[in-house]
Amino acid sequence: NAGVMQNPRHLVRRRGQEARLRCSPVKGHSHVYWYRQLPEEGLKFMVYLQKENIIDESGMPKERFSAEFPKEGPSILRIQQVVRGDSAAYFCASSRDPSDYGELFFGEGSRLTVL
Amino acid sequence: DQQVKQNSPSLSVQEGRISILNCDYTNSMFDYFLWYKKYPAEGPTFLISISSIKDKNEDGRFTVFLNKSAKHLSLHIVPSQPGDSAVYFCAASGSNYKLTFGKGTLLTVNP
Repeated sequence: NAGVMQNPRHLVRRRGQEARLRCSPVKGHSHVYWYRQLPEEGLKFMVYLQKENIIDESGMPKERFSAEFPKEGPSILRIQQVVRGDSAAYFCASSRDPSDYGELFFGEGSRLTVL
Repeated sequence: DQQVKQNSPSLSVQEGRISILNCDYTNSMFDYFLWYKKYPAEGPTFLISISSIKDKNEDGRFTVFLNKSAKHLSLHIVPSQPGDSAVYFCAASGSNYKLTFGKGTLLTVNP
């Protein structure tokens, strides 16, 4: 499967725990984007990363959320001390070039449930 | 502040008929518009797009129309098929990587 791979597909955490979501982009793509979809809402931009660089994190909550895309390995979205409001579907997308911005390849999403 | 609005949460049409999904936007800086299709438990997949320099783009059964003066776009699917049943998201961009999505419209095509 050459598409965007996200894991875990489903994650359940209790309040105060940490959640780590992983994303492997399409082979050859070096630009990764994370979007969040809250219940009954559209997808909202969180962060744009290139290898080893955060380009734009304007959509990320200021606290508890962080993202990385190391030289080797998948991109990681990390949520510390989760709260019920973090329950959402988190989608990762990738592109070969930022000028391909319109036609992003999305993964199947990671659905986080906070109890 | 919802910059991209899809006012119809759902739409039901008969197989073979036309489906028309609508989308309004408020940000004049948007110059590129897209439709994504999403099945349950899957990620969105790109369907069709249109640049602000055009008013129509067609791809097979799918046509997107853009009315810049009204800040309105629509997606036409003709003829509709049961496999088209999905949530359709309208998205917009201001010449950069950041997409702003609407809340989506659930299309149901009845056999």
